[in-house]
Amino acid sequence: AQTVTQSQPEMSVQEAETVTLSCTYDTSESNYYLFWYKQPPSRQMILVIRQEAYKQQNATENRFSVNFQKAAKSFSLKISDSQLGDTAMYFCAFMKHNMYSGGGADGLTFGKGTHLIIQP
Amino acid sequence: NAGVTQTPKFQVLKTGQSMTLQCAQDMNHEYMSWYRQDPGMGLRLIHYSVGAGITDQGEVPNGYNVSRSTTEDFPLRLLSAAPSQTSVYFCASSYSIGGPQYFGPGTRLTVL
Repeated sequence: AQTVTQSQPEMSVQEAETVTLSCTYDTSESNYYLFWYKQPPSRQMILVIRQEAYKQQNATENRFSVNFQKAAKSFSLKISDSQLGDTAMYFCAFMKHNMYSGGGADGLTFGKGTHLIIQP
Repeated sequence: NAGVTQTPKFQVLKTGQSMTLQCAQDMNHEYMSWYRQDPGMGLRLIHYSVGAGITDQGEVPNGYNVSRSTTEDFPLRLLSAAPSQTSVYFCASSYSIGGPQYFGPGTRLTVL
């Protein structure tokens, strides 16, 4: 079974600063996907960024980028020029993709989340 | 597109009652899944489906049933509600395994 660990329960930074959220995972799979989701107080789960493990290039989405280190099983999220609207819970998630058994992926495995607070 | 919709938004049940949480998507997604979110626990997978007529268990399936008779709908049934099932329930869908998962707004369920 896979596990996802987010070691920072809460972080607080000033507006416009850069912040990095940590995520490590444990798996024996070689082909998988990694995600970061944002959950604001509205509780809606919003996809921030997605990374395919076979791609070495780190994914980026505007102010959001990841540092994917496959050998270290690390997948950190960097938020540049942080904004008040970035205040939310952030969840790291893992999904395996076993291509040799009909694609059974067993869904997303989530970390426990990091509560990010952007201070004005 | 309405995306992923869930009903109801809130529900209070008494122990032993049964109910169905509804989930629908209009994006023609094959993959759908149900999660529950408890304080401090993140989200955990209950059941998932890779297409109409195909379902499988996730990490915490006990006390829940699912079926997938159409591509659009994936209802979650609580057979006999227990206080331990008090949680927020999310439905999600994606066009393929590993693709971006789109979540519904969630249902907050309280079992007394």
